Amino acid sequence: QLQLQESGPGLVKPSETLSLTCTVSSGSISSGDYYWGWIRQPPGKGLEWIGTRSNSGSTYYNPSLKSRLTISVDTSKNQFSLRLTSVTAADTAVYFCARHRRDWGNYFDSWGQGTLVTVSS
Amino acid sequence: DIVMTQSPLSLPVTPGEPASFSCRSNQSLLHSSGYNYLDWYLQKPGQSPQLLIYLGSTRASGVPDRFSGSGSGTDFTLKISRVDAEDVGVYFCMQALQTPFTFGPGTKVDIK
Repeated sequence: QLQLQESGPGLVKPSETLSLTCTVSSGSISSGDYYWGWIRQPPGKGLEWIGTRSNSGSTYYNPSLKSRLTISVDTSKNQFSLRLTSVTAADTAVYFCARHRRDWGNYFDSWGQGTLVTVSS
Repeated sequence: DIVMTQSPLSLPVTPGEPASFSCRSNQSLLHSSGYNYLDWYLQKPGQSPQLLIYLGSTRASGVPDRFSGSGSGTDFTLKISRVDAEDVGVYFCMQALQTPFTFGPGTKVDIK
C-alpha cells in the first residue's frame, strides 16, 4: 500500500520560506499518470487545496497562493516538495501531501499523516 | 471559486441506525462526461482525511458498502446505512470539477 510521509521544519519565521518534502514509499512516484498534491488545514478549521504537480511537469496551483508557491517532483528520490515564500501567521496549518488521481474525476486517494507548521517569530 | 456548503455541521448518531448529510455547491458539478465531480472524505479524530467516494457515487477501494453517495448537479448526499462506532469524525465534500478544488466546512459526526 502506498505510503506518504511529510517532513520539514515545524516552525518558520514570518516573511521566511516554508519548505516541506513528501517521501513516497511502497510505490514509485514516476509510475502511472499520477499527480502529487498538497492540502492544508489551519488548526481547528477546514481543508484548503494548495496545488498539484504531475510527473511530467504539469502544475495546478491555488490562485490564492500561486505567487508564493512552487511544487516540484524529484523522481530520483521518490519525493515531491512544497515551497511557500513570504509566510505569515495565516500560513500556520497542518500540511498534508497526497496522491492526486485524475483517471476518473479528481480525487486524493492516499494521504500522508500531516505535519504541523507554525509561523511565528 | 466554487463554494461548497454542508449540512448539518454537527450530527449525533446512534450505532446501528442510518445517517445522512448534505453537500451543496453554488455551481453544477456535472462534467461533460456525464459524471459529477464530487468527492467525499472522512477525517477521523487525529488522522488525515481518507477518500470515501469519488465521482459523486463511486466508493473508493476498501470502503464498506454501508457508505453510499448520491446526487447530481448542485445537491449531493452521503448516506451511512448502519452507523458503526468507527464512523465518527468529520465528513468533507470536495468539488473536483475545476481548480481551485474547494472543500465544504465539514459535518462532524459523533455518537449520541
